[in-house]
Amino acid sequence: EAEVAQSPRYKITEKSQAVAFWCDPISGHATLYWYRQILGQGPELLVQFQDESVVDDSQLPKDRFSAERLKGVDSTLKIQPAELGDSAMYLCASSLAMGAYETQYFGPGTRLLVL
Amino acid sequence: SQQGEEDPQALSIQEGENATMNCSYKTSINNLQWYRQNSGRGLVHLILIRSNEREKHSGRLRVTLDTSKKSSSLLITASRAADTASYFCATDATSGTYKYIFGTGTRLKVLA
Repeated sequence: EAEVAQSPRYKITEKSQAVAFWCDPISGHATLYWYRQILGQGPELLVQFQDESVVDDSQLPKDRFSAERLKGVDSTLKIQPAELGDSAMYLCASSLAMGAYETQYFGPGTRLLVL
Repeated sequence: SQQGEEDPQALSIQEGENATMNCSYKTSINNLQWYRQNSGRGLVHLILIRSNEREKHSGRLRVTLDTSKKSSSLLITASRAADTASYFCATDATSGTYKYIFGTGTRLKVLA
């Protein structure tokens, strides 16, 4: 069964360093999502792509976070510089299309710890 | 911000018992979905219920939706230790991006 791949699974970094996360969605899925999940809370959408275009980045802290999906396939989320409050699980998900009844398929996540 | 609020926040039951968790949301929706998350892992889709549906079943899962009260419930019957996980509801906005907003989650623990 096809799965969403993410790497790394775990990342420990120091405050003010740069970090990057990678996501490879299920083949053929046009819509890709990045979520941040703080321990004990539900996922919060950071950015949503339709192919290579951003359709929602209203909750993305743009002074330090950036995301790209250059060829409309895999995607990278970057944080520069990292802050202590960025410690969280970063989840990538994909869906076949952007529509009212689409199911999202999640990757295993990247757990980030900022020291 | 999170649209959905799950209740209870945590639930502990014995194996074989039924588990019920509730989700309330704030705005009009096209559909509501339930997801499960095992500790430290990604989310797995369980079931989707459309706004014009009132009840849906999938195996041991039963979901109800009351759009007049803006609430949904997830019932897991004959629970197993493997059902131990966090459960989240997710609602889509009726706006054009079909963005999903997740609730705060219910942590279920099934004791063997």
